[in-house]
Amino acid sequence: EAGVAQSPRYKIIEKRQSVAFWCNPISGHATLYWYQQILGQGPKLLIQFQNNGVVDDSQLPKDRFSAERLKGVDSTLKIQPAKLEDSAVYLCASSLYPLIRQGTQNTEAFFGQGTRLTVV
Amino acid sequence: GQQLNQSPQSMFIQEGEDVSMNCTSSSIFNTWLWYKQDPGEGPVLLIALYKAGELTSNGRLTAQFGITRKDSFLNISASIPSDVGIYFCAGQASYDMRFGAGTRLTVKP
Repeated sequence: EAGVAQSPRYKIIEKRQSVAFWCNPISGHATLYWYQQILGQGPKLLIQFQNNGVVDDSQLPKDRFSAERLKGVDSTLKIQPAKLEDSAVYLCASSLYPLIRQGTQNTEAFFGQGTRLTVV
Repeated sequence: GQQLNQSPQSMFIQEGEDVSMNCTSSSIFNTWLWYKQDPGEGPVLLIALYKAGELTSNGRLTAQFGITRKDSFLNISASIPSDVGIYFCAGQASYDMRFGAGTRLTVKP
């Protein structure tokens, strides 16, 4: 079974530029997540999709970050304009069931390799 | 808030030794997960726990979901060099999945 695919693996941009990341989840997984992992920290949830709808985006800095999952499969995360503090690894993950069903099987998230963003 | 306190921050052990790490929180979680992350890679799921008191093994790894639902531990028995990496606990509650700050494990041959 293919895992979560992400691209690009690395990206270097100047501050105030824009950048986009792409994710294709595991086939059949209705729930997709974007996480931000700053060096030396655990991943932090930015947004959760169930099919093509947003379940929770309370931790997404909406003044500069946006995400979409138009057809309920792959997703893009965009930053515009980027700041120095956005330098991090952006991880995409997917699960069969959404977090609202936590406490039952198949809510565990499987992660892609991530995109390492450096803003200079 | 739903902060996870993971300890220890780092461990340096000899190959063959057993390892124990844990996560605690002031909040209740309904699912506890343990992940391992190698440099340049995404976290890989090791063990998932769904019920308070549950004890689950995966090879040399054993994890438990605390009875109070506010803590979990992970044990690794007879460590080997490929156990090197950063181990993260994660707890699920409401719409969120929170991660601990990680335990960096170094295994000396």
